[in-house]
Amino acid sequence: DAGVTQSPTHLIKTRGQHVTLRCSPISGHKSVSWYQQVLGQGPQFIFQYYEKEERGRGNFPDRFSARQFPNYSSELNVNALLLGDSALYLCASSLAYVYEQYFGPGTRLTVT
Amino acid sequence: GIQVEQSPPDLILQEGANSTLRCNFSDSVNNLQWFHQNPWGQLINLFYIPSGTKQNGRLSATTVATERYSLLYISSSQTTDSGVYFCAVGAPNTDKLIFGTGTRLQVFP
Repeated sequence: DAGVTQSPTHLIKTRGQHVTLRCSPISGHKSVSWYQQVLGQGPQFIFQYYEKEERGRGNFPDRFSARQFPNYSSELNVNALLLGDSALYLCASSLAYVYEQYFGPGTRLTVT
Repeated sequence: GIQVEQSPPDLILQEGANSTLRCNFSDSVNNLQWFHQNPWGQLINLFYIPSGTKQNGRLSATTVATERYSLLYISSSQTTDSGVYFCAVGAPNTDKLIFGTGTRLQVFP
């Protein structure tokens, strides 16, 4: 079975631009979470969606938004990019709420 | 919020050695997972272990929820075990994983 997939793999953007990252969960999984990992630190929680509803939000500014589609895939949007948004963005899926989470390979975003 | 501390921060071993990684957390949790992050950034699931003991090959893990700690044991380490090991916990009534700062393991031949 395919694992969690994310696209694109790498992305280079300029300050002030907007970016959309995409995630497809493991087949049958209904929960998707997004995490940001900056160099040298552990991943930080951004959002969680379950059954297309937002179930959790981390301490990130309103420039970050997300949504989940009827097929349970998800998008993470970041507006007005800052240099500090440069990071590895990880998507995780789980069968349901409060289950083991499985991570995708990540999207490495560089903001110049 | 819940604090997660991992020790040691860095570990250097020779191939064949055994090691124990520790994860302490500050409050009750509903989920605890151990991950290995490879050099390309992929987080690989090792154990889902909110309580009890599990074993998978050369790896085993124990979580004592009442005392708020978990241990990851690596036996007969191999160079492919190198990378960063993360412990992550879930606070009650949330699906949010809170990650520790990680243990960077380097195994030399």
